[in-house]
Amino acid sequence: QSALTQPPSASGSPGQSVTISCTGTSSDVGGYNYVSWFQQHPGKAPKLMIYEVSKRPSGVPDRFSGSKSGNTASLTVSGLQAEDEADYYCSSYAGRNDLVFGGGTKLTVL
Amino acid sequence: DVQLVESGGGWVQPGRSLRLSCAASGITFDDYAMHWVRQAPGKGLEWVSGISWNGASIGYADSVKGRFTISRDNAKNSLSLQMNSLRAEDTALYYCTKAKYSSTWVGAFDIWGQGTMVTVSS
Repeated sequence: QSALTQPPSASGSPGQSVTISCTGTSSDVGGYNYVSWFQQHPGKAPKLMIYEVSKRPSGVPDRFSGSKSGNTASLTVSGLQAEDEADYYCSSYAGRNDLVFGGGTKLTVL
Repeated sequence: DVQLVESGGGWVQPGRSLRLSCAASGITFDDYAMHWVRQAPGKGLEWVSGISWNGASIGYADSVKGRFTISRDNAKNSLSLQMNSLRAEDTALYYCTKAKYSSTWVGAFDIWGQGTMVTVSS
């Protein structure tokens, strides 16, 4: 049950695009299409942004998109806005009734 | 409005027990799997445990296996987490969260409570 690997930080200027990676193994990210992404602002509960690799819940802007290649999932935020500055976490099913989160990425809008 | 409200957190000495509860409203509770996720102060999210809509499928993180027990009472729209043999490293904000589907392991946690803080210290 090792945590998924995310870069500690990412940044971009308003209007730019930024991609956050989430690397696991063939036993979790690579083995299932059950990758989710969560946004968390300071002092707030997490918010679901992407599920099942690339699906967006209603109400989440289409600036947020998800993808997966092999053992690495990615979250792309296009047209960066100030309110996108937050911590982002990926999660994946890891088989045998087990779920695992990534360590989190702090996104800074410059 | 859909709402999850956690309770039962507090300060406890190492080795002691605590029971967390989560009250759900605004949803058909037994349509969905439920999970507990925790966040230590200044740290990231850690999945703790999950339970299927009918309680038939349950999972635990290795860090709590054998010490924590998840359960649900669909008649009362409530989720519980019994925490025994608590350790300092269990200190965290514990979130109750609802899965988007009845499927337990998709991991699409679409509704979260505000959390209840557990502090384990002598």
